[in-house]
Amino acid sequence: SQQGEEDPQALSIQEGENATMNCSYKTSINNLQWYRQNSGRGLVHLILIRSNEREKHSGRLRVTLDTSKKSSSLLITASRAADTASYFCAPRWAGGTSYGKLTFGQGTILTVHP
Amino acid sequence: DAGVIQSPRHEVTEMGQEVTLRCKPISGHNSLFWYRQTMMRGLELLIYFNNNVPIDDSGMPEDRFSAKMPNASFSTLKIQPSEPRDSAVYFCASSFSRATNEKLFFGSGTQLSVL
Repeated sequence: SQQGEEDPQALSIQEGENATMNCSYKTSINNLQWYRQNSGRGLVHLILIRSNEREKHSGRLRVTLDTSKKSSSLLITASRAADTASYFCAPRWAGGTSYGKLTFGQGTILTVHP
Repeated sequence: DAGVIQSPRHEVTEMGQEVTLRCKPISGHNSLFWYRQTMMRGLELLIYFNNNVPIDDSGMPEDRFSAKMPNASFSTLKIQPSEPRDSAVYFCASSFSRATNEKLFFGSGTQLSVL
């Protein structure tokens, strides 16, 4: 399977706390991407980390990648109620010609309480 | 750019009727993807196109489902005849796939209810 599996399935925290979500995958990758989905909306790209990178930052987001363990984590610091959403990881398969195809797991549902 | 545009936003139909969902990708993008999302099965990739050519339709659930991309700016997903189990949110996404680190841009989805 080329999709990632997110863990935990659900995460509930207080505003101001940090939120950490994990992703595991099974194939060799070119990159791994994280997306957010607000209720009733389409997915929105958050951040991409290449296979030769170990860590990447974007605002309050920090992503790590461990290709030896085939895992990634997404850290949201100082969470806000507006961060409440589902979060998905999407490994970009390194083999063949996939034309940018991405498949998604069930995601992590993050709830941030004001 | 207006992003990926899907229509209609909501569709309510009766079992047995034909349903057509429409998608306009971002100008300049050359890959287009149709996904279906339900609580039970999550986000499933149904079919994707590159340069208007269908590449992989292995995710299409049944022959009742068909998709076309007659040109670079338009795609349709058709269900004929529709069944209650087709009720879901259908998303279209596009990307510029010549770049290794391309990302997907999603539309707002079509909420389909088959009664």
